[in-house]
Amino acid sequence: AQSVTQLDSHVSVSEGTPVLLRCNYSSSYSPSLFWYVQHPNKGLQLLLKYTSAATLVKGINGFEAEFKKSETSFHLTKPSAHMSDAAEYFCVVSGRPTGANNLFFGTGTRLTVIP
Amino acid sequence: EAGVAQSPRYKIIEKRQSVAFWCNPISGHATLYWYQQILGQGPKLLIQFQNNGVVDDSQLPKDRFSAERLKGVDSTLKIQPAKLEDSAVYLCASSLDRGQYSGANVLTFGAGSRLTVL
Repeated sequence: AQSVTQLDSHVSVSEGTPVLLRCNYSSSYSPSLFWYVQHPNKGLQLLLKYTSAATLVKGINGFEAEFKKSETSFHLTKPSAHMSDAAEYFCVVSGRPTGANNLFFGTGTRLTVIP
Repeated sequence: EAGVAQSPRYKIIEKRQSVAFWCNPISGHATLYWYQQILGQGPKLLIQFQNNGVVDDSQLPKDRFSAERLKGVDSTLKIQPAKLEDSAVYLCASSLDRGQYSGANVLTFGAGSRLTVL
């Protein structure tokens, strides 16, 4: 079975400081992993995806994530937070050996950016 | 390209009433999904269509929820009768994949339909 655990329900950082959102996964297969972002009253938007290629994945808006199989982790990072990064972030694992079919979402991490 | 369209954006009903949500996916996308997102939780898959066939409806409460995608394009999700615990955002998503599983296949989500059951 596939599942993800987001270790922090809420993260607060100051503008210009690094962001770290933690995610651990469980999968019966070699997983495909994703991070989605949800701004208030907007649809979910894909930030980045890992699909068994390079373990360090770069996404949009300066975000990146590193797949660590030994730690079953897929943490999301950004060197310098911007006010516009304030949103809900979801770590997601796919329900298939590869691909994005039938995604399993974590419970989300709300990122607050303090001016 | 146009995104995934959903309507209505907001709906308030009383318990035991019925409600329907509509979704128009991205043109050419074979797969359509309905997710339920309860406040404070991550989205949960309700039903997945491949063209007009159901791939997975194991999490759909079939005694009150129904969904269809008659022509393999638009889809409707209906709740009848609604319960208080159905208050949630109902998200529609679509993806291009046609049975070829690939990391290139990504879900595109609509803005959602927020349901409040009183």
